[in-house]
Amino acid sequence: NAGVMQNPRHLVRRRGQEARLRCSPMKGHSHVYWYRQLPEEGLKFMVYLQKENIIDESGMPKERFSAEFPKEGPSILRIQQVVRGDSAAYFCASSPQFVSTGYTFGSGTRLTVV
Amino acid sequence: QKEVEQNSGPLSVPEGAIASLNCTYSDRGSQSFFWYRQYSGKSPELIMSIYSNGDKEDGRFTAQLNKASQYVSLLIRDSQPSDSATYLCAVTLFRNSGNTPLVFGKGTRLSVIA
Repeated sequence: NAGVMQNPRHLVRRRGQEARLRCSPMKGHSHVYWYRQLPEEGLKFMVYLQKENIIDESGMPKERFSAEFPKEGPSILRIQQVVRGDSAAYFCASSPQFVSTGYTFGSGTRLTVV
Repeated sequence: QKEVEQNSGPLSVPEGAIASLNCTYSDRGSQSFFWYRQYSGKSPELIMSIYSNGDKEDGRFTAQLNKASQYVSLLIRDSQPSDSATYLCAVTLFRNSGNTPLVFGKGTRLSVIA
């Protein structure tokens, strides 16, 4: 029973490039959550998705960031025209429909913008 | 007032002692409370959940919840050097529309001295 799978584990991008982060939830989980963790900071909620629907994107920056969770395939967090301030660890979590036991997090993607 | 507040530490305790980690939250509607452990460079790992006032014990860990005071704590008995990590408090709110995302505190760094 595989856990939440994120890839890549490490991603280096030059300023102005695009970053694509992928997340496959645990089997049977239909809810996906993306969080960002800056160095020495806590986890900040970004977006919550179900299949083909964005449920809550209140934590997403208004520009350059987008997320999707298609009917088939992993959830994707896309960052366009990356800047140095986007350097962070991005964690994805998943839960079953009626969560009562907390999230399971993936191993994260460490994004470095040079 | 921040939604979830924790003392950033570091909290240093000798091996074998009890470590006490505290968390306060601002939303009186919060219903579910979680403690995560995060080792440096790793993803958060769920260690305890609590939903009702009182104590909940699991091995060396005890979570305590006081909704009237909006306070949740984590006690670690017989602390070991391997417990040295950052401990994240998280709360969630359940609404008619479904789950709400977890809101995390910044975490308390625990150091257990051998």
